[in-house]
Amino acid sequence: SQTIHQWPATLVQPVGSPLSLECTVEGTSNPNLYWYRQAAGRGLQLLFYSVGIGQISSEVPQNLSASRPQDRQFILSSKKLLLSDSGFYLCAWSGSSLGGNTIYFGEGSWLTVV
Amino acid sequence: RKEVEQDPGPFNVPEGATVAFNCTYSNSASQSFFWYRQDCRKEPKLLMSVYSSGNEDGRFTAQLNRASQYISLLIRDSKLSDSATYLCVVGSYGGSQGNLIFGKGTKLSVKP
Repeated sequence: SQTIHQWPATLVQPVGSPLSLECTVEGTSNPNLYWYRQAAGRGLQLLFYSVGIGQISSEVPQNLSASRPQDRQFILSSKKLLLSDSGFYLCAWSGSSLGGNTIYFGEGSWLTVV
Repeated sequence: RKEVEQDPGPFNVPEGATVAFNCTYSNSASQSFFWYRQDCRKEPKLLMSVYSSGNEDGRFTAQLNRASQYISLLIRDSKLSDSATYLCVVGSYGGSQGNLIFGKGTKLSVKP
């Protein structure tokens, strides 16, 4: 069966510090991968999605970036965090057909920028 | 009009009650529909897909009305454990948002 894991689960970072969140998927090949953010009291905001290694689509301009160095690995990064980057970050995967396939989420990472 | 719109609630209901949530979507070309459940400070988890003919899974019934562009979720005999936020998700071919649009969710609180 397929599994998805992301880490770290919780982190508190000072403003201006770098960020790296990592996500891996097991049990499937060539998945679509996603990074979402959910701010307090708000809906899920799609940040990045990827249909293959090295292929990243950005949905919103920001100081975050994403990379997909391997088929089942997705990384969310920032060089300098802002207070507004605080939130619940979710990695997700779906099947490789871009037809609105069911999406499955990792456990999430709580980021507090102080 | 927002792409996917839900009543945010909260819906406060007693145990055993029947509760219904609606969700409207703006893209008439949407092809797939889902309900997700999200517990407090947890990731969303798939509750059920929504099929054109409607579908049922135990106490949960989902329906799709393409003409009016809405989907619904009915929960019968509510349990305390049903307390959560329910997210409506609509998918389509093409588009820019990875093909899935999430509603902001409807919060349900089931009381003893």
